[in-house]
Amino acid sequence: SQQGEEDPQALSIQEGENATMNCSYKTSINNLQWYRQNSGRGLVHLILIRSNEREKHSGRLRVTLDTSKKSSSLLITASRAADTASYFCATDASGSYKLIFGSGTRLLVRP
Amino acid sequence: DVKVTQSSRYLVKRTGEKVFLECVQDMDHENMFWYRQDPGLGLRLIYFSYDVKMKEKGDIPEGYSVSREKKERFSLILESASTNQTSMYLCASRPQVRGNQPQHFGDGTRLSIL
Repeated sequence: SQQGEEDPQALSIQEGENATMNCSYKTSINNLQWYRQNSGRGLVHLILIRSNEREKHSGRLRVTLDTSKKSSSLLITASRAADTASYFCATDASGSYKLIFGSGTRLLVRP
Repeated sequence: DVKVTQSSRYLVKRTGEKVFLECVQDMDHENMFWYRQDPGLGLRLIYFSYDVKMKEKGDIPEGYSVSREKKERFSLILESASTNQTSMYLCASRPQVRGNQPQHFGDGTRLSIL
């Protein structure tokens, strides 16, 4: 199974509400990254949190990391219709070249 | 900004054809990656390259090969295309190995094998 697993698989909210997505993983990591993908396009990097960090902010994004529970969450505050996309977490494991992606959360923000 | 360019957004080929997907990055990144993305399966790594002429198999290399003759270009080759290779293909690059750096993605090639 995938290293990173997002929850929920799909989320529908009203514009202005907050959206929270969760990611769980299985092995030790150097960092965890969140990406966004608009329909039919490539992935865009949003934020990277290192294993020794617990929380990170970027604009309306807030990411937390709990290495003891092997989990992370992405919070998008004051959502907009333009935030509609799929969101993926990816883990950068210790001693590995590659990122391991989860299957993503599809977010729909209704105007 | 880093730019990763994939040669085609959409491609339609026939079963048995040899198919080339091209990817070029403009930031002198050492690492380049090829993924395929299928509904419900997320992104799966096909091959990656950590230097010119260097390559390593990812999780699903069967039916694929790669070529990296120049640092900026990483090609994915479907030796004899089959219908189960219909998918979205994504190329990515990253500046250093095992560093805390994100990957930069191209816009993808949606490949249909008929």
